[in-house]
Amino acid sequence: SQKIEQNSEALNIQEGKTATLTCNYTNYSPAYLQWYRQDPGRGPVFLLLIRENEKEKRKERLKVTFDTTLKQSLFHITASQPADSATYLCALDEGTNAGKSTFGDGTTLTVKP
Amino acid sequence: GAVVSQHPSRVICKSGTSVKIECRSLDFQATTMFWYRQFPKKSLMLMATSNEGSKATYEQGVEKDKFLINHASLTLSTLTVTSAHPEDSSFYICSARDLTANYGYTFGSGTRLTVV
Repeated sequence: SQKIEQNSEALNIQEGKTATLTCNYTNYSPAYLQWYRQDPGRGPVFLLLIRENEKEKRKERLKVTFDTTLKQSLFHITASQPADSATYLCALDEGTNAGKSTFGDGTTLTVKP
Repeated sequence: GAVVSQHPSRVICKSGTSVKIECRSLDFQATTMFWYRQFPKKSLMLMATSNEGSKATYEQGVEKDKFLINHASLTLSTLTVTSAHPEDSSFYICSARDLTANYGYTFGSGTRLTVV
């Protein structure tokens, strides 16, 4: 069966360190993978999209890698700040006409000052 | 960037009544919108795909008659929870994608529905 797993439910790190979140999937052939941030009581906010033929994408302090052999994406936040504390969701899209994305359960990141 | 507006943000209703939630794409046209439901500390569960000018496509296990979806224009989709019961209490979120832009889906801010 298809499954998306995000490494842990919660991740606590110290301010200034790099946070690394993992998204693993099975029985999917994603055309692209997305990362979102969600704050409590709010809808997700799009952060980055990486396509199957791309290895790495960067945006400011964010970096995403995509390894289709390992079936894994890593999401890094460098020089983390308390304001980065939120739940981060990965989502897969197989690029079909349906245009649907399937979401992982998310990892809640807490950055301590 | 693309903006999706969702209203209301919170609603409390009595059992047996119906509630309508609106989702608007403000600066782009969306032939397709998606409706999700989210339980506490859980991920988004896709309920249905809303298609402009045609019937919505519902995911397995989602009652069509319970969750009525209408997508009458390129910028507006509505979800009506009919004859609401306490178990329908949840966080409902819509999303759409600006196909002219090279980024992911834009989500509304969500609607917290409480049925008492």
